[in-house]
Amino acid sequence: DGGITQSPKYLFRKEGQNVTLSCEQNLNHDAMYWYRQDPGQGLRLIYYSQIVNDFQKGDIAEGYSVSREKKESFPLTVTSAQKNPTAFYLCASSIDLWGKNIQYFGAGTRLSVL
Amino acid sequence: GESVGLHLPTLSVQEGDNSIINCAYSNSASDYFIWYKQESGKGPQFIIDIRSNMDKRQGQRVTVLLNKTVKHLSLQIAATQPGDSAVYFCAESEVFGNEKLTFGTGTRLTIIP
Repeated sequence: DGGITQSPKYLFRKEGQNVTLSCEQNLNHDAMYWYRQDPGQGLRLIYYSQIVNDFQKGDIAEGYSVSREKKESFPLTVTSAQKNPTAFYLCASSIDLWGKNIQYFGAGTRLSVL
Repeated sequence: GESVGLHLPTLSVQEGDNSIINCAYSNSASDYFIWYKQESGKGPQFIIDIRSNMDKRQGQRVTVLLNKTVKHLSLQIAATQPGDSAVYFCAESEVFGNEKLTFGTGTRLTIIP
């Protein structure tokens, strides 16, 4: 069953704690992305990776870190430096098909602060 | 930077009627546009896309219209069904094939039975 799997579905963070959100895809897509969505808001890009071992900051990268050691995996760490981490986090992937890069999304991880 | 916006945050439509969701963009360099549907608690789902060299594209029950002169994009949904209730986002990129998308705020569509 192909797709993008995000885990966990719900995550709670204590003050000063780093937490890592998992994103795995078996679509053989080259590019992967992390977005943050606040209630009633659109999606804001945190980080993206176009190829293994390479990634770029998005619009709101401060307080987050990523790695891309494997094509299938793009974990996001929400560090203690992110002072307002409560949000819905979405991972996406895409592949260049005839010049198009349609992004396909996972089901999301809802992060809350204890 | 440039941003993509929506005219209306909420829209209620009677079941069976057609709905039109609008999106204004300000970046004249935008070349590629996508509409996504997001149901509550889920990730966005691709609906339809259009390049700037087109002004209309049709899918199953959906049509996207692009007016580059006024930088306006719309999504038309024909014969709406309860399952169409969701938040709809438009997204754009400056270059066709560019992997960075800029998303609008979204419009919540509610279908009234």
